[in-house]
Amino acid sequence: DQQVKQNSPSLSVQEGRISILNCDYTNSMFDYFLWYKKYPAEGPTFLISISSIKDKNEDGRFTVFLNKSAKHLSLHIVPSQPGDSAVYFCAASARSSSNTGKLIFGQGTTLQVKP
Amino acid sequence: ETGVTQTPRHLVMGMTNKKSLKCEQHLGHNAMYWYKQSAKKPLELMFVYNFKEQTENNSVPSRFSPECPNSSHLFLHLHTLQPEDSALYLCASSQETTDRPQHFGDGTRLSIL
Repeated sequence: DQQVKQNSPSLSVQEGRISILNCDYTNSMFDYFLWYKKYPAEGPTFLISISSIKDKNEDGRFTVFLNKSAKHLSLHIVPSQPGDSAVYFCAASARSSSNTGKLIFGQGTTLQVKP
Repeated sequence: ETGVTQTPRHLVMGMTNKKSLKCEQHLGHNAMYWYKQSAKKPLELMFVYNFKEQTENNSVPSRFSPECPNSSHLFLHLHTLQPEDSALYLCASSQETTDRPQHFGDGTRLSIL
């Protein structure tokens, strides 16, 4: 049973336009959410996070939106650049569990930004 | 440079071999993690260490044996592995186990013959 789902395996966007990556979760206990980017032959790189007390967090070109009622979060990249082409993972954790820091990851979405 | 270094980057071993994966973090973090990523599957947590104490074992078979001698070093000892254990093994660290991002190394690509 997958608790974090990224239903779009891939996304293609033109350079300069907005990229929107989506993630859904099922566990209402999740209260901390993260997005990671991964290039081939490298480990995931942390991009941005959001706590459940917020509904938006922004860092430069990256904005994460959290809709708790819908159990949905999204990552917006504006403007998209060719260097953003990578696999993007969303992840979630529940602070109220055993506090082990266990992250549950989605399957990933491959973003291609075309010049 | 992520601050988390994993060695070796690639490892090929037979099912009867014993080998160890090493992870070192230079970020001053207190928590370290082992994850496994099999083909076409999400990253899956294996173990968590917080201040050198193991706080999570995600039902990992005993042929995987972690060791955390201090907050900067984490090992994964491997013995009698199976072909289905072939995967990318990722190490991560974080300042604390809650509400802090985990920072990953580049992983060890393990192939079991």
